[in-house]
Amino acid sequence: DIVLTQSPVLAVSLGQRATMSCRASQSVSISSINLMHWYQQKPGQQPKLLIYRASNLASGIPARFSGSGSGTDFTLIIDPVQADDIAAYYCQQSRESPYTFGAGTKLELK
Amino acid sequence: EVKLEESGGGLVQPGMSVKLSCATSGFTFSDYWMEWVRQAPGKGLEWVAEIRNKVNNYATYYGKSVKGRFTISRDDSKSIVYLQVNSIRSEDTGFYYCSRGYFDYWGQGVMVTVSS
Repeated sequence: DIVLTQSPVLAVSLGQRATMSCRASQSVSISSINLMHWYQQKPGQQPKLLIYRASNLASGIPARFSGSGSGTDFTLIIDPVQADDIAAYYCQQSRESPYTFGAGTKLELK
Repeated sequence: EVKLEESGGGLVQPGMSVKLSCATSGFTFSDYWMEWVRQAPGKGLEWVAEIRNKVNNYATYYGKSVKGRFTISRDDSKSIVYLQVNSIRSEDTGFYYCSRGYFDYWGQGVMVTVSS
């Protein structure tokens, strides 16, 4: 299985940039398509798709969210962080089954 | 408007079975692959199962921890996807979410609690 590694916690100040990483145990890219996706989950809510295929903003997601990366290393950036962004963030690969998730990064206020 | 609504959860005794349903609307259900993802209390997300569409022969795939015990199925005439859970264990406790195949739309989830 492809293992995705995320830092458990990231503390940021409102208005600052938050940079979250996700490292895969093997490449999740096929040709130039990077099969890594990012989700936001707030307590008591279902996950919400933020970024698909590494860098594409999902419908209705604010432009302060962005994603980048290829191969095994991927990044989610929130700039600037707003109070509503305090949540858990998960990366997920769809390169191969099982479609594994990272353990999540909890975004906290500094 | 795309909608997904899970049902069928509740308290289940170890070793028993439960069948979860996910009713959908607002999109052409038969065109899409469908997924189940679960989340144990206080833990992260775990992909559980996928069922592809007719064009892909309704192929099914499962996570390792559920393979052989869980069965995903679909009824394209009713726009519903199911998850049959057999020989349920305490570690199967959690919220179960259904999602459209691109993981772009999710249901609110249904709680399954395994306890005697």
